[in-house]
Amino acid sequence: DIQMTQSPSTLSASVGDRVTITCRASQSINTWLAWYQQKPGNAPKLLIYKASSLETGVPSRFSGSGSGTEFTLTISSLQPDDFATYYCQQYNNYWTFGQGTKVEIK
Amino acid sequence: QVHLVESGGRVVQPGRSLRLSCAASGFTFSTYGMHWVRQAPGKGLEWVAVISYDGSNKYYADSVKGRFTISRDISKNTLYVQMNSLRREDTAVYYCAKDRTATSWDYDVFDIWGRGTVVTVSS
Repeated sequence: DIQMTQSPSTLSASVGDRVTITCRASQSINTWLAWYQQKPGNAPKLLIYKASSLETGVPSRFSGSGSGTEFTLTISSLQPDDFATYYCQQYNNYWTFGQGTKVEIK
Repeated sequence: QVHLVESGGRVVQPGRSLRLSCAASGFTFSTYGMHWVRQAPGKGLEWVAVISYDGSNKYYADSVKGRFTISRDISKNTLYVQMNSLRREDTAVYYCAKDRTATSWDYDVFDIWGRGTVVTVSS
């Protein structure tokens, strides 16, 4: 099974900050990685797929990078609507999610 | 507009069975793989099961293999999961989600999710 590990688990930031979340896979997954945003009481929302492809309708302040086992999600300028929990997901072999990173207000 | 609406969640005793449904609308249901994903209270996301767009392939997480069965009814545009021998650790919000790419045999991401239905396994 492929394990996904995100860091940090919690991140405190202010509006306008540049935010970076890291996701590591236990083995190479090429670029078969997605990022989702989840707000309390809501379903997850797809942000990025294939490591760096922005889903339609997602603001361009979100970007993804990486390949193999190391990946990052970057929010270039944090907006009030971005305070949420973010999950990475590998889809190289079945599907596994990271444990999540909560972005909270500093 | 694409919609997925789950139903069927309730409080059930350990060892009992439950069937969840997911009604799909706004897209050609028969051309997309479909998934169940769950989230235990205060925890992260766990993929549960997938059914291919034509229903010919089904795969399960080890945690539910042999107890859960995923199925779909094209005539009703509905996805199901039959959950047997329920355990306390099956307590979660259950989401259905669709593949992003039509008629795909490859692993894919989930572009549309329902709002979820709550299953509580408790005596």
